[in-house]
Amino acid sequence: NAGVTQTPKFQVLKTGQSMTLQCAQDMNHNSMYWYRQDPGMGLRLIYYSASEGTTDKGEVPNGYNVSRLNKREFSLRLESAAPSQTSVYFCASGDSSGNTIYFGEGSWLTVV
Amino acid sequence: GENVEQHPSTLSVQEGDSAVIKCTYSDSASNYFPWYKQELGKGPQLIIDIRSNVGEKKDQRIAVTLNKTAKHFSLHITETQPEDSAVYFCAAFADSSYKLIFGSGTRLLVRP
Repeated sequence: NAGVTQTPKFQVLKTGQSMTLQCAQDMNHNSMYWYRQDPGMGLRLIYYSASEGTTDKGEVPNGYNVSRLNKREFSLRLESAAPSQTSVYFCASGDSSGNTIYFGEGSWLTVV
Repeated sequence: GENVEQHPSTLSVQEGDSAVIKCTYSDSASNYFPWYKQELGKGPQLIIDIRSNVGEKKDQRIAVTLNKTAKHFSLHITETQPEDSAVYFCAAFADSSYKLIFGSGTRLLVRP
């Protein structure tokens, strides 16, 4: 998981609160991704950014917004957190061909 | 959009036996198929991948096969060891969309 850094690692939110998950990569990758992983389920794509300046919806974008701040950073924002957003969130990055997509260590988010 | 199905959801094998995990995909535009291993509390780590112009790839005890016509690909682990115990995910990626879509995962248990 070298090269993709996520913060915070753990967070507890109250319903309705907002927060931003930060992600940075130092591999000069063009594409970046945000996934969520729920117990017993696979990773579901929330949003992705194929290159700096572009973002696109994935499989489960509702309730989230993203910002590709620059080539290195891709943040995920929850404007009004809901208990259904309790999950583990993973950021990932890949080169322009999609080869070798690397993942961060995850951010554990609990919404109460 | 792309849909990736993965089987089985759990697999228990005796140490030294082989393990096979199978995936199917729906989007004929997908052209890159990575496999990830996820250990408890960690992010997914790439273990092997294959491009659509190749039918098989090996790396020591692991191999991946791809049948592009049937839209399925498989992971083969030979001479399994207890440290192979983890959750394994297949995924499909299309250069045209930059989306990496995951299967639901297989929990592999290697019994000593």
